[in-house]
Amino acid sequence: AQSVTQLGSHVSVSEGALVLLRCNYSSSVPPYLFWYVQYPNQGLQLLLKYTSAATLVKGINGFEAEFKKSETSFHLTKPSAHMSDAAEYFCAVRNNYGQNFVFGPGTRLSVLP
Amino acid sequence: DSGVTQTPKHLITATGQRVTLRCSPRSGDLSVYWYQQSLDQGLQFLIHYYNGEERAKGNILERFSAQQFPDLHSELNLSSLELGDSALYFCASSAGQGADTYEQYFGPGTRLTVT
Repeated sequence: AQSVTQLGSHVSVSEGALVLLRCNYSSSVPPYLFWYVQYPNQGLQLLLKYTSAATLVKGINGFEAEFKKSETSFHLTKPSAHMSDAAEYFCAVRNNYGQNFVFGPGTRLSVLP
Repeated sequence: DSGVTQTPKHLITATGQRVTLRCSPRSGDLSVYWYQQSLDQGLQFLIHYYNGEERAKGNILERFSAQQFPDLHSELNLSSLELGDSALYFCASSAGQGADTYEQYFGPGTRLTVT
């Protein structure tokens, strides 16, 4: 069975500071990994995805994530936070055996001026 | 705009009632997924349809059912509603199913309030 944990239900950073949102997964087979962002009162939007190509994945809005198999992690980073990054971020995993997405509990990012 | 549409945006109803939520996937997408998002349970997968056929069930209650029609739109039916069913219901679509890497595209959601 697959599962996703996201350390920290709420993360606060100052504008211009590094953003680091943690995601660890468990999967018995090679996973596909995704980060989604949800702005208030909106649906989820795909930020980036890992599909067994490059381990460092670049996404939209300056975000990137690195797949580390040895650590079963897929942490999301952005070098410099912007006020508009304030949102809820979800990590998700699926495998290539037909199982559906499993989402983590989400991390709410606050950006302080 | 993801290309996935959901209606209605908001729904307020009473306990014991039945409602139908509608989803139209992105043009060309064959898979439709339904999710429930609540504060205490997070984002929970309910059910997956591919080209009209049920493919997987998640944490879907027996009071809930869904179907996907020949034109690929989907409906989620919620019956004998309880206060605890109040949540955001999302539909997502993707091009394929199973062994693929296709990401899911989410609709804006339907906010259901049961009073």
